[in-house]
Amino acid sequence: NAGVTQTPKFQVLKTGQSMTLQCAQDMNHEYMSWYRQDPGMGLRLIHYSVGAGITDQGEVPNGYNVSRSTTEDFPLRLLSAAPSQTSVYFCASSHLRGGGEKLFFGSGTQLSVL
Amino acid sequence: GESVGLHLPTLSVQEGDNSIINCAYSNSASDYFIWYKQESGKGPQFIIDIRSNMDKRQGQRVTVLLNKTVKHLSLQIAATQPGDSAVYFCAENYDGNKLVFGAGTILRVKS
Repeated sequence: NAGVTQTPKFQVLKTGQSMTLQCAQDMNHEYMSWYRQDPGMGLRLIHYSVGAGITDQGEVPNGYNVSRSTTEDFPLRLLSAAPSQTSVYFCASSHLRGGGEKLFFGSGTQLSVL
Repeated sequence: GESVGLHLPTLSVQEGDNSIINCAYSNSASDYFIWYKQESGKGPQFIIDIRSNMDKRQGQRVTVLLNKTVKHLSLQIAATQPGDSAVYFCAENYDGNKLVFGAGTILRVKS
C-alpha cells in the first residue's frame, strides 16, 4: 500500500530553471493538495484539486502551476524558479466529504533554488 | 502554544509524564480540527481529529480537547515516550477541505 508518493526527494535548481514535482496517490482520493513548509512555520497551501480537471488556488499560489488530468496524479510545476521557492514541498490527499477529512501526506521534496 | 515565526515553542517532558500541547485557532467558523505529528525528515502523520459538535475525543494514549468559546484546542499525550519526540501541528478547516495549519510545537522527551 504505497499511499502518497512524491518524487524527487531532493532537487537543486538554478534561478530561472523550471521543473515539475510529481505526486501520485493510490487510495482513490478525490482531493489532492500541495503545501510548502518553511523553517519555523506551518504548512501553507499552494494549490488544491477536488477532482480530475478541477484545480484552485490556495494561500500561496504565485509562481506555481498545477493540473489534474487523472484522479491519481497531481503534479506541481515551477515555471521559473526563484530563491524564495526554496522549501520543503508536501503533497497530500484525502476523500472529499464536504466537512473536512484527514489528509494523508507524502514524504516531501526538499527543493533548493540557488 | 503555537505561534508564527522562526522559533517554535518547545515543550520538554520527562519520559512517563503526561504532555499537553496547546493551539489557538483563528476562525470561529472552523468545523473540523486535526492534530499531526511530524518527525524529522518525514511528512506529517495523522494523530487524532475532532469535529466542532464535540468537545473531547480520545484515542490510544491521546486526547483532544476543543474549547470553542475561546477558540482553543489541546492535545494530551499520556505516559509520554521517547518516540513521541517530534513537531506537533494543529490544523483547522473552515472552507471545504482546505486545512490551515499552525506553526507547530516541538515536543522533547527526556529519558
